Amino acid sequence: GAGVSQSPSNKVTEKGKDVELRCDPISGHTALYWYRQSLGQGLEFLIYFQGNSAPDKSGLPSDRFSAERTGGSVSTLTIQRTQQEDSAVYLCASSLGGRSSYNSPLHFGNGTRLTVT
Amino acid sequence: EDQVTQSPEALRLQEGESSSLNCSYTVSGLRGLFWYRQDPGKGPEFLFTLYSAGEEKEKERLKATLTKKESFLHITAPKPEDSATYLCAVRRGAGNMLTFGGGTRLMVKP
Repeated sequence: GAGVSQSPSNKVTEKGKDVELRCDPISGHTALYWYRQSLGQGLEFLIYFQGNSAPDKSGLPSDRFSAERTGGSVSTLTIQRTQQEDSAVYLCASSLGGRSSYNSPLHFGNGTRLTVT
Repeated sequence: EDQVTQSPEALRLQEGESSSLNCSYTVSGLRGLFWYRQDPGKGPEFLFTLYSAGEEKEKERLKATLTKKESFLHITAPKPEDSATYLCAVRRGAGNMLTFGGGTRLMVKP
């Protein structure tokens, strides 16, 4: 079946511009996550959505970062007034939620590579 | 605070030369330790989940084991196609997000 889909795959933007990154999770997955991976680094948690519950925003690095999930499916990560340090690969993942969540692995998309010039 | 440390950062092996990757962790209320494989330009691909000390799981040339403080990913007679970055991550009692280690970049030469 279809996996997690992210778009665009690459995005180059000028410092100070806003960007939107999109994630389509696996159908039926109620949990959705955003991570950031800087060059040569591990994955840094950003935000987590579970069903209709309030999202866990504890990993967002600044108030320039926000995310929403409409209709319990597609999610958009928005970065306002981009800075050069925002350059990274932004990865989206989804998993089964609810009672199955504790033993459900995250399934990742291939990410959006963001370059801020 | 949850901590996950992987070693070595990079490992070069000859084809057929078996070895192990280490993942040390500190987490409150472990609810799963996960191993992923990541190829360049791709997202991480799920390999294994381990839940309790003493548990082992195998897939082809890979075997993952778990103790109370660390996990090992054993690679037996590796092939060049096993070259990738291997990531481990932990899920703790509160919340469902995973905390990742920095990864081990494995290079297998023919």
